[in-house]
Amino acid sequence: GEDVEQSLFLSVREGDSSVINCTYTDSSSTYLYWYKQEPGAGLQLLTYIFSNMDMKQDQRLTVLLNKKDKHLSLRIADTQTGDSAIYFCAEDSGGGADGLTFGKGTHLIIQP
Amino acid sequence: DGGITQSPKYLFRKEGQNVTLSCEQNLNHDAMYWYRQDPGQGLRLIYYSQIVNDFQKGDIAEGYSVSREKKESFPLTVTSAQKNPTAFYLCASSPGISYGYTFGSGTRLTVV
Repeated sequence: GEDVEQSLFLSVREGDSSVINCTYTDSSSTYLYWYKQEPGAGLQLLTYIFSNMDMKQDQRLTVLLNKKDKHLSLRIADTQTGDSAIYFCAEDSGGGADGLTFGKGTHLIIQP
Repeated sequence: DGGITQSPKYLFRKEGQNVTLSCEQNLNHDAMYWYRQDPGQGLRLIYYSQIVNDFQKGDIAEGYSVSREKKESFPLTVTSAQKNPTAFYLCASSPGISYGYTFGSGTRLTVV
């Protein structure tokens, strides 16, 4: 079945760039997503990328997609304390009726 | 403003009780989903519904039940058959397959 893998933790210094990585197995995915979850809250859609794109940039966020290796990354430039959260990678599993498949989330920890 | 509302934010259940978690959306989305979130386990799909009066079991449906009598509403009942119900429950909706989700703010259920 489909699987999405992420590292559980990432620690970076404030002001540095954060790079959160994700690998997925379903080659038929059309869209891949990044969500952010702050403590005690729901998930917020950060950005997404269409599978025929290599890169998408949105202000401090850069998404890179390597479709051959099924590898997705989210780069956050100039990381701030407000970026501290859990980041989830998700893929649409080729349009399966049960919706998106999520990774287990990466906890981004910001050091002062 | 359109959105998805979960209530209550916190819920306490005694052993052997059924409880119902509310999820309402005014986004005119066809699809709705229920997830359970436990620390370190990411999101696990409980039930989903692609259309009114139809719903399907997800990966961990045992001990839960749902209904979809209206497009706007997708309540989740946690029954006494669910042996370990303490968790954070998230509801989501989307316009359809392969679209990103909008999440509610979650309900934290605790067994006392």
